[in-house]
Amino acid sequence: DAGVIQSPRHEVTEMGQEVTLRCKPISGHNSLFWYRQTMMRGLELLIYFNNNVPIDDSGMPEDRFSAKMPNASFSTLKIQPSEPRDSAVYFCASSLIVLGGIQQYFGPGTRLTVT
Amino acid sequence: SQQGEEDPQALSIQEGENATMNCSYKTSINNLQWYRQNSGRGLVHLILIRSNEREKHSGRLRVTLDTSKKSSSLLITASRAADTASYFCATENSGGSNYKLTFGKGTLLTVNP
Repeated sequence: DAGVIQSPRHEVTEMGQEVTLRCKPISGHNSLFWYRQTMMRGLELLIYFNNNVPIDDSGMPEDRFSAKMPNASFSTLKIQPSEPRDSAVYFCASSLIVLGGIQQYFGPGTRLTVT
Repeated sequence: SQQGEEDPQALSIQEGENATMNCSYKTSINNLQWYRQNSGRGLVHLILIRSNEREKHSGRLRVTLDTSKKSSSLLITASRAADTASYFCATENSGGSNYKLTFGKGTLLTVNP
């Protein structure tokens, strides 16, 4: 199994540009999570999907952020327009939730730098 | 605010010594998990302990959970240089069907050869 795949691994963009991060979860997993990690705020949950449906997006910072999961094997996190304070490492994680208490499998992350 | 708070923030030990990291949390939980993150990588799950368990072992790892004190500890015995990483606790809160995890800010462990 290839694990959770994220692309790109690094993204450098200018303020105001649109940024799209991509994630392919582990095949067979039914839940997908987007996190943001910074030194100041640690690891924050942005949004999570169960069976492709957004369940909790309370962590999405503002309307500039949006996430979609059109099918079980693909998700995107979009920032439009991007700002320097969005610079962070963005992680995607997936899991198979049946009765709860299930570990999450993390991708390698996308390091985003907004100048 | 963070549900899980690790202590200490950083820990430096010599190879062969034991490392103990602590985690405190605030609300009732279904389970508590520990993850490890090597520099520049994603998090890797280490061990899960359920709210009705008090201690769990996995190889050189020992996790304890005290729900009355809302705290957990992770012990790594006979540490190795390869154990150098950040360690995070994560809690799955009880109630409802919300399976999200809340992570602490982590303990940076450095094992010196």
